[in-house]
Amino acid sequence: GEDVEQSLFLSVREGDSSVINCTYTDSSSTYLYWYKQEPGAGLQLLTYIFSNMDMKQDQRLTVLLNKKDKHLSLRIADTQTGDSAIYFCAESLSTVSGGSYIPTFGRGTSLIVHP
Amino acid sequence: KAGVTQTPRYLIKTRGQQVTLSCSPISGHRSVSWYQQTPGQGLQFLFEYFSETQRNKGNFPGRFSGRQFSNSRSEMNVSTLELGDSALYLCASSTIAGERYEQYFGPGTRLTVT
Repeated sequence: GEDVEQSLFLSVREGDSSVINCTYTDSSSTYLYWYKQEPGAGLQLLTYIFSNMDMKQDQRLTVLLNKKDKHLSLRIADTQTGDSAIYFCAESLSTVSGGSYIPTFGRGTSLIVHP
Repeated sequence: KAGVTQTPRYLIKTRGQQVTLSCSPISGHRSVSWYQQTPGQGLQFLFEYFSETQRNKGNFPGRFSGRQFSNSRSEMNVSTLELGDSALYLCASSTIAGERYEQYFGPGTRLTVT
């Protein structure tokens, strides 16, 4: 069945880069997403990547996709204390524009940023 | 532009009761999706509605249902509540803007079943 796995915790120093990793098992996944959840808040879609892409960059965020190894990573450059949150990886066959939007989420990685 | 709103924000119910949660999407967004978040099961997709039709459905029992109105507002209903239904219920509204996919979440409804 489908499964998305992430490490539970990551601790970094302010100003360093953070790399959050995710592995998925469904080889037919078409879209892969990264979400952020701050304490007591809902989710925020940070970025997503289509499976025919290897990399996507959006300001301080870089997503790398290794489709052969089913490995997705999110790199946050110049990590700030405001980046402390839980980051969820997710995969689905399509976005909501398609008929197969049934996302599977990882359990989330808690990013702790030390001053 | 107003964000996604969910009401109520907090709710306490008793086992066996039913509950209705409401979600108002961002103006112009026609897709609304619902998620359940619990410490034990994590984040799970419930269902997605588009133009008043359920388009996608996660793996939840029939006690969980939803609907969408012509103004895109959506409700989800849980009947015969169980203790395990205690969770944060999130809704999101989504759209495709050109080639860009946009999705915005509400703050959630915290349901406690006693």
